[in-house]
Amino acid sequence: GQNIDQPTEMTATEGAIVQINCTYQTSGFNGLFWYQQHAGEAPTFLSYNVLDGLEEKGRFSSFLSRSKGYSYLLLKELQMKDSASYLCAVRGSRELGRDPGGFKTIFGAGTRLFVKA
Amino acid sequence: DSGVTQTPKHLITATGQRVTLRCSPRSGDLSVYWYQQSLDQGLQFLIQYYNGEERAKGNILERFSAQQFPDLHSELNLSSLELGDSALYFCASSGTGGTTDTQYFGPGTRLTVL
Repeated sequence: GQNIDQPTEMTATEGAIVQINCTYQTSGFNGLFWYQQHAGEAPTFLSYNVLDGLEEKGRFSSFLSRSKGYSYLLLKELQMKDSASYLCAVRGSRELGRDPGGFKTIFGAGTRLFVKA
Repeated sequence: DSGVTQTPKHLITATGQRVTLRCSPRSGDLSVYWYQQSLDQGLQFLIQYYNGEERAKGNILERFSAQQFPDLHSELNLSSLELGDSALYFCASSGTGGTTDTQYFGPGTRLTVL
C-alpha cells in the first residue's frame, strides 16, 4: 500500500529551529514536496526534492533520503506566522493505461506546528 | 495569490442535491488537479486533467465527475450529495503535469451539505 507518516503536532519557540519528519512508502517515486497550509487556506508550495540531499531556501530547508524513504523539513529562526500545518507529499508513478499517464500525488495528514512566544 | 481561481468560495446545499465547482488554472498551465480535504482526513487526490484529457484518477466517487474545457478551465460535478461530502475542495494547476512540475493551489471551495 501507499503511506505517508508525519507527526500530528509539534510545538516550538519563536526564534528556535524545528525539524518535521516524514516517512513514506509509495509505489514509485518522482519527487517529494512540502507545502505549508494555514487553517482554511490553500496549501502553498515550500520545496521539492527528487535527488538525495539537502535543498536550502532561506529559512526553510528540506532533506531527502530515497533509500530510507525519509524526508525532513527544517525551519530556522521560527516566527509566529510559521504556525501552520506542514504537508509532506509524494509524487508516485505514472498511471498506467493512459498515453501518457499522469501522476498521483499522495499527501500526508500534515503536521500542525504551534510557535509560542 | 497563486493565480488559480475557484468559484464559489462557499456553497451550502442539501443532501441529494447536485453542485458544480469551477476552477481556472494559472495562465499558461495545462494541467488541473482536484483534491478533497475533510476535517478528519488530509488532502485526497481526486482526478487530474491535462489539456482537456483525463490523465490520472484517485479516490473519486462514482457520484463525482469532472472535465476540463478547451479554454482549460475545469469543473467538478458532485451529485446525490451526502453529509460526508462536506469538505474543502481544492483545485491545483501545473504547467505540463510532468515529473518536475509543481502544483499551485487555488483558494478552495468550502462545501457544506445539510
